[in-house]
Amino acid sequence: EAQVTQNPRYLITVTGKKLTVTCSQNMNHEYMSWYRQDPGLGLRQIYYSMNVEVTDKGDVPEGYKVSRKEKRNFPLILESPSPNQTSLYFCASSKRAYNEQFFGPGTRLTVL
Amino acid sequence: GENVEQHPSTLSVQEGDSAVIKCTYSDSASNYFPWYKQELGKRPQLIIDIRSNVGEKKDQRIAVTLNKTAKHFSLHITETQPEDSAVYFCAATKSNFGNEKLTFGTGTRLTIIP
Repeated sequence: EAQVTQNPRYLITVTGKKLTVTCSQNMNHEYMSWYRQDPGLGLRQIYYSMNVEVTDKGDVPEGYKVSRKEKRNFPLILESPSPNQTSLYFCASSKRAYNEQFFGPGTRLTVL
Repeated sequence: GENVEQHPSTLSVQEGDSAVIKCTYSDSASNYFPWYKQELGKRPQLIIDIRSNVGEKKDQRIAVTLNKTAKHFSLHITETQPEDSAVYFCAATKSNFGNEKLTFGTGTRLTIIP
């Protein structure tokens, strides 16, 4: 089954404790990206990757890191989480940005 | 960079009536405009998209129109049904290799009143 998976689905953590949210796709897509969704602000792109070892900033990259060592995986790293990073995070993959984005199920992160 | 504005933020329509959601974009080089639907507690899913070489696209009860001169595009839903209740997002991007940022609007919560 073609899908995008994210883990964990829910996470409660404390300020400053490093965390990683994993994202994996099995559709051989080149383009992967991370979004955060906040009420009234819609979906905002954090980082995107057009291929292995190629990443670029989206609209809200501050406080986040990503890596793309393999085509199927695109983890999101928060080195020192802060409460303003409490949000719903979606990973997505597609052939390119101008093709249908396939979203993962979302990760709800709470930073205390 | 690209800026996408979406209006209205909330919209309520009687079942059977039409709904229209509008988006404007700032980058005249943008050439791909998708619309995503997000049901409560679910992930966004593509419902329709349009590329800059056409002015209108229809798929059953939904249609999207694009005005490149005015830099705006709209989603039209006719004969609305309860299952159309959801949050709808527009987005814009351009197919220039090396810069494929995808910018979304802030969303429209559509409620269909039975």
